[in-house]
Amino acid sequence: SQTIHQWPATLVQPVGSPLSLECTVEGTSNPNLYWYRQAAGRGLQLLFYSVGIGQISSEVPQNLSASRPQDRQFILSSKKLLLSDSGFYLCAWSPGTATNEKLFFGSGTQLSVL
Amino acid sequence: AQSVAQPEDQVNVAEGNPLTVKCTYSVSGNPYLFWYVQYPNRGLQFLLKYITGDNLVKGSYGFEAEFNKSQTSFHLKKPSALVSDSALYFCAVREGSGANNLFFGTGTRLTVIP
Repeated sequence: SQTIHQWPATLVQPVGSPLSLECTVEGTSNPNLYWYRQAAGRGLQLLFYSVGIGQISSEVPQNLSASRPQDRQFILSSKKLLLSDSGFYLCAWSPGTATNEKLFFGSGTQLSVL
Repeated sequence: AQSVAQPEDQVNVAEGNPLTVKCTYSVSGNPYLFWYVQYPNRGLQFLLKYITGDNLVKGSYGFEAEFNKSQTSFHLKKPSALVSDSALYFCAVREGSGANNLFFGTGTRLTVIP
């Protein structure tokens, strides 16, 4: 069966520090991968999605970037965190062959930038 | 461009009463519609989806949703609410014609009062 792993679960970082959140999927190949941010427990915002290795689409301009170095690995990064980057970050995947499939979400990372 | 509106930030309902969580959408093509539920500090869990066919879709935990094309709505319903249904509910839409990303509404917090 397929599983999605996202870590760390919580993270406290000072303003200006770098960020790296990692997400991996097991049990499937060529998944679509997604990063979402949820601010203050509401409003899920799509940040990035990827349909293949090295293919990243950004939905909103921001202080963050994403990379997909391997088929089932999706990384969210920042060179210098801002206070406004605080939030709950969710990684998700869906089967790459059909657009009518649901997304499967990781358990999320609570990021606090101080 | 796709968009989703959940007009109610908060819905309160007494245990045992029917519940409705509203959702309207906007897409240029055929919509794929989804409902997800989120419990505190957790990732989103899939409830149900509408792709095609019968307008009334049944999902997990006794929830159902009705697709109404003329009103561009996909309201979530349950005949008899449970206290354990209290959570944050998200409606989401994907344009059916090959789009890979899923756009979420801002969420509705459902509170079931014992």
